[in-house]
Amino acid sequence: DARVTQTPRHKVTEMGQEVTMRCQPILGHNTVFWYRQTMMQGLELLAYFRNRAPLDDSGMPKDRFSAEMPDATLATLKIQPSEPRDSAVYFCASGTRTSESVSYNEQFFGPGTRLTVL
Amino acid sequence: AQSVSQHNHHVILSEAASLELGCNYSYGGTVNLFWYVQYPGQHLQLLLKYFSGDPLVKGIKGFEAEFIKSKFSFNLRKPSVQWSDTAEYFCAAADRGSTLGRLYFGRGTQLTVWP
Repeated sequence: DARVTQTPRHKVTEMGQEVTMRCQPILGHNTVFWYRQTMMQGLELLAYFRNRAPLDDSGMPKDRFSAEMPDATLATLKIQPSEPRDSAVYFCASGTRTSESVSYNEQFFGPGTRLTVL
Repeated sequence: AQSVSQHNHHVILSEAASLELGCNYSYGGTVNLFWYVQYPGQHLQLLLKYFSGDPLVKGIKGFEAEFIKSKFSFNLRKPSVQWSDTAEYFCAAADRGSTLGRLYFGRGTQLTVWP
């Protein structure tokens, strides 16, 4: 049963510290998405990649957030320095095109990283 | 840009009641449509999806949704809800012709079912 995995599942840190969240997409999926979920804002798209190249990161605060895909099996989201307002659940999702002409857009979500910044 | 609206923020029902959650999207082209469910403390899981064909789509756990193109709607229904259906439900849409693969999510509807 293929799944998206995320580590860590929970992270508590102090303001100013660096936080790195990792995601392993489903093998064979070539598109990876990072979302942030909060009570106030709901589900927000932060960034996404296709074949490891960033397609759009306009939803991400550039001054402190960065997202990368060092290889096809690993996506990272880094916050440096972290702030209390970054406290949220961060989800990674992966997907793939199922034909050359049409994108079906189905996404598979990981379990999330619950981040608390004190 | 596309947008998805879910008009009900919180719905409270008793067990065995019928459910209908509204979803409207703003894109005029061909769309793929999805409903995801998020149980308390868990991640989003796909409930059902519409790509083409029969506009009445059946998903898991007795859910179904109807795509009405003229109304830009994709409402989720279940004839008889259970306590275990308590969750947050997200509608999502994507441009079927786009290669970007991005989904546009609604704000979600929290469903609470009382036993």
